[in-house]
Amino acid sequence: DQQVKQNSPSLSVQEGRISILNCDYTNSMFDYFLWYKKYPAEGPTFLISISSIKDKNEDGRFTVFLNKSAKHLSLHIVPSQPGDSAVYFCAARDSGGSNYKLTFGKGTLLTVNP
Amino acid sequence: DGGITQSPKYLFRKEGQNVTLSCEQNLNHDAMYWYRQDPGQGLRLIYYSQIVNDFQKGDIAEGYSVSREKKESFPLTVTSAQKNPTAFYLCASSWVGSYNEQFFGPGTRLTVL
Repeated sequence: DQQVKQNSPSLSVQEGRISILNCDYTNSMFDYFLWYKKYPAEGPTFLISISSIKDKNEDGRFTVFLNKSAKHLSLHIVPSQPGDSAVYFCAARDSGGSNYKLTFGKGTLLTVNP
Repeated sequence: DGGITQSPKYLFRKEGQNVTLSCEQNLNHDAMYWYRQDPGQGLRLIYYSQIVNDFQKGDIAEGYSVSREKKESFPLTVTSAQKNPTAFYLCASSWVGSYNEQFFGPGTRLTVL
C-alpha cells in the first residue's frame, strides 16, 4: 500500500517555463512534507519542506503548496533551468510515531530542455 | 567540512557472502538511517537508529543487520539471507525532533555476482 504517490514518472519542460511536480498521500497522520532532488548515482539533496499547518512555502525559485483536504502537494519551479533536470522525490513524516521516519514516493524524472 | 560519507562508492561481491557498507557522519546528528533504492522505485527504509546502541527495523529489514556503537557511525551488513541484494544503498542522518530534514550520503552501489 503506497502511502505517498507520485503518479507522473516523468515530466519534460522548456527552459524558463514553470515545472509543476505533484504528490498525493493517503495517510492523514502525515504532518511534514519534504521534496528532495536526486542526480543519478548520487544521494538525494533536500530542497524544501512544508509543515501541515501551512499551505505554502517559498524558497527562491522553489515553492511547495499543500492542500490538506485533497491530500495533495505540489512543487513549483520557476523559472526552470537545465540544471534542474533530476529525479524529484516527495517524502512525508507520520506525526503519529516518535521515530521521525520518512515515507518516500517513487519519484518524478524532470527534464528541462534548453 | 561536515557531511556524510559512504564507502566504497561501488562494491562487488559473490553470491552467498556477507558484505558491510560503511556510513560515517560528522554533523553531530543523533539519528541515522539506511535506505535502499531500486530502479523505478522510491527509497525504502531498511533500518534506523535514534540513539547509540539502539536501532529499529524499517520496512524491509529482512536479510540486513546494523550496529550503532558510536554516534558517528552506522554500518549496514547485507547478509547472504537477503534475496535480492543488488541495489543502490543510501545512508542518511538527521536531528531527532520535529521538522528536521534528513541529509543523505553519496550512496554505495552494491552488485552481487
